[in-house]
Amino acid sequence: DVKVTQSSRYLVKRTGEKVFLECVQDMDHENMFWYRQDPGLGLRLIYFSYDVKMKEKGDIPEGYSVSREKKERFSLILESASTNQTSMYLCASTPTGDTGELFFGEGSRLTVL
Amino acid sequence: GQNIDQPTEMTATEGAIVQINCTYQTSGFNGLFWYQQHAGEAPTFLSYNVLDGLEEKGRFSSFLSRSKGYSYLLLKELQMKDSASYLCAVRHNTNAGKSTFGDGTTLTVKP
Repeated sequence: DVKVTQSSRYLVKRTGEKVFLECVQDMDHENMFWYRQDPGLGLRLIYFSYDVKMKEKGDIPEGYSVSREKKERFSLILESASTNQTSMYLCASTPTGDTGELFFGEGSRLTVL
Repeated sequence: GQNIDQPTEMTATEGAIVQINCTYQTSGFNGLFWYQQHAGEAPTFLSYNVLDGLEEKGRFSSFLSRSKGYSYLLLKELQMKDSASYLCAVRHNTNAGKSTFGDGTTLTVKP
């Protein structure tokens, strides 16, 4: 069974803290994505990666960075968390050459105080 | 750029049929997804349309018209468990095949 695992379901951080959100997939997928989901705004793409060490900005990359050192792991980094980054963060993966169906993790709900 | 529109909320009765529409304007279109998302859970895949026409999968069907930039998701014989958000998403013809999502339609099924 396919699985995308996000390290933390719930996090509470303070403004200015550095935050790491980890995502691991066990399906050998080339492509991985980070979205945030906010009420009334849907899912918005932050960053994505189509190969190890490769990354591309999505629609809302400001305030975020990512790391893809291994194929199975894609990390989202908030260098200095701000209250407007309070959100649900969803990681997803998909193989190259297929329909592009996204397999999502359970999500990480981040609250920045 | 891309613009994806779908209704914010819909309400229907158990056993009925409901159609959720999605219109899009986008460059580099490769196909259109529908996902279902129950409250507090991750989205799950329902359908993917690349060519014009209707794709049927059990109680759920999805339709695409590429020339009109239009899709719909049809849910038949509604059940209470179909209460969820339904997300329309456009797949782009890029390296990673990234997807852009609409804001989602929250469907409430009433007895």
